[in-house]
Amino acid sequence: NAGVMQNPRHLVRRRGQEARLRCSPMKGHSHVYWYRQLPEEGLKFMVYLQKENIIDESGMPKERFSAEFPKEGPSILRIQQVVRGDSAAYFCASSPYLPGQGAGNEQFFGPGTRLTVL
Amino acid sequence: RKEVEQDPGPFNVPEGATVAFNCTYSNSASQSFFWYRQDCRKEPKLLMSVYSSGNEDGRFTAQLNRASQYISLLIRDSKLSDSATYLCVVNDGYDFGNEKLTFGTGTRLTIIP
Repeated sequence: NAGVMQNPRHLVRRRGQEARLRCSPMKGHSHVYWYRQLPEEGLKFMVYLQKENIIDESGMPKERFSAEFPKEGPSILRIQQVVRGDSAAYFCASSPYLPGQGAGNEQFFGPGTRLTVL
Repeated sequence: RKEVEQDPGPFNVPEGATVAFNCTYSNSASQSFFWYRQDCRKEPKLLMSVYSSGNEDGRFTAQLNRASQYISLLIRDSKLSDSATYLCVVNDGYDFGNEKLTFGTGTRLTIIP
């Protein structure tokens, strides 16, 4: 069972370009989470999605950032008009939905995408 | 006040020693607690869940004190391979739909030969 897959692993963009980060959850997992880790800082929650639904986007910046998890295909985190402050490691995690478990389902993390904005 | 607070370290500890990390969290309604390990430039990996009754996994022991909102991790007989950043993690969700994890900034541990 392959783990969470993210691509690209490294992405370099110039200021003003768009960045698209992809995440394929583990097989059988229907929940996807995106976290951002700025240099020398802890991971910060961005968004929580299920297939075709955004459940919690309280950690997403109000502008330029969007996320989706379509019925088919990977989850996409999209950053428009990137700025230098967007340089960070972006981690995706997935978890299964276990009825009755609620909080406490383990989240499995992908290897991350390191975005560098020149 | 940070939601999850940890001493950033670094902790430089000789091989074979015992080391303890502490963490405090601000939300008294938090439901689930974890220690994750993160190696340099890698993804976080779950080390262990933390329960009020305490739990042990080999050389690792975790403890939760809900009254003090305090979580601890004890590593006995430390190995060189234990060198990593240890992340204290809290999940505030108590029902489906509130599953975000809140991470501390991590405590860096280096085991010295």
